[in-house]
Amino acid sequence: ILNVEQSPQSLHVQEGDSTNFTCSFPSSNFYALHWYRWETAKSPEALFVMTLNGDEKKKGRISATLNTKEGYSYLYIKGSQPEDSATYLCAFWANAGGTSYGKLTFGQGTILTVHP
Amino acid sequence: NAGVTQTPKFRVLKTGQSMTLLCAQDMNHEYMYWYRQDPGMGLRLIHYSVGEGTTAKGEVPDGYNVSRLKKQNFLLGLESAAPSQTSVYFCASSYGAGTGDLNTEAFFGQGTRLTVV
Repeated sequence: ILNVEQSPQSLHVQEGDSTNFTCSFPSSNFYALHWYRWETAKSPEALFVMTLNGDEKKKGRISATLNTKEGYSYLYIKGSQPEDSATYLCAFWANAGGTSYGKLTFGQGTILTVHP
Repeated sequence: NAGVTQTPKFRVLKTGQSMTLLCAQDMNHEYMYWYRQDPGMGLRLIHYSVGEGTTAKGEVPDGYNVSRLKKQNFLLGLESAAPSQTSVYFCASSYGAGTGDLNTEAFFGQGTRLTVV
């Protein structure tokens, strides 16, 4: 079983606050780390796909970093807005070198609530 | 372009009944996945497929079977439904590894809410 852990489980912030979450994953057989945004009553949608150690990706106020050697990724949201309220999921994609080839394993998610 | 379509959207089963959930994608994706979503547990992988005719077990495969006879379809079967299988089921698909990191994001269906009574 591939352990993909996210913290915290939930987070309440005020509008305008900046926040960040953590995703930890196995440092072996790494192929890619994905971040998804999941709004209530919708399906998850991809934010970032990261493959290289040291990768930094940005989309508007949201950015992510990747450390494959130590097995963690951070997602940052700058100046949170109520519309950022959602569950944020990370997912680990194992490479062809192991028995988990092609397996996309999700963490349990961080539920973000941004209060006006 | 429909993306990923799941059928049905809702279903109520009696314990012991069987059913098949259909996932269809029109993006020519190699990889397909079935997940279940339960409160506080994120998405747990049931089975997945890295190509037509191939399937593999995920984290919670017991009580489920799958088939990928055609590239565009991934079927999830429950042979004898149990109340513990009450959940929301999501199908996803993606391009395979080696097609470039920008292409490997997973696209999800709208989910199937299954209740077993």
